[in-house]
Amino acid sequence: EVQLVQSGAEVKKPGESLKISCKGSAQTFTTYWIGWVRQMPGKGLEWMGVIYPGDSDTKYSPSFQGQVTISVDKSISTAYLQLNTLKASDSAMYFCVIPSGGTYYAAMAFDIWGQGTMVTVSS
Amino acid sequence: QSALTQPASVSGSPGQSITISCTGTSSDIGSYNLVSWYQQHPGKAPQLMIYEDSERPSGVSSRFSGSRSGNTASLTISGLQAGDEADYYCCSYAGNQILVFGGGTKLTVL
Repeated sequence: EVQLVQSGAEVKKPGESLKISCKGSAQTFTTYWIGWVRQMPGKGLEWMGVIYPGDSDTKYSPSFQGQVTISVDKSISTAYLQLNTLKASDSAMYFCVIPSGGTYYAAMAFDIWGQGTMVTVSS
Repeated sequence: QSALTQPASVSGSPGQSITISCTGTSSDIGSYNLVSWYQQHPGKAPQLMIYEDSERPSGVSSRFSGSRSGNTASLTISGLQAGDEADYYCCSYAGNQILVFGGGTKLTVL
């Protein structure tokens, strides 16, 4: 069974940087796009972007382009989401997502979600 | 891309059917048959309920169905149950590996 395990909750100060990790199983990690989704407290889901581990091709939602960096280390089946110059408005739950198979991959549908990483930015 | 438009809330009694609409544009919903729907219970990660407009993942109840017409997609839940009470999000492919979510709909089972 494919699983995504994310790094733990973080508390940061404004201006600091943060890198969240998302570890998956080796097989699916090199086959499908891995995405990131933000959910601010009490708010809806927001698509941030995806990365293809095979060649590190990355696509960002226009809302997050230049604001975050998505990367991957396929040797350890781990994707990363880097947030720089943190602001209070970056406080949110961040999820990594991946399709479990070719059908969902083709449909750009993500049936496997990490448990989420809660980020709190406060002075 | 702007967020897809969903009603903020819908409600229904057990056993009834409800429909949640999701309106986009000709650049997202209207261009691709790649609308998915996610259910999210409080404090939990979302769960995929519908993909490719109307397909159900294995394990998802047949009480959940999806459809799409023009720039609008819909999720229908029949035979409402207490456990269906959750937030529901539509999501559409918008080209170039970009997705756009709806604002979410809170379903209350009365």
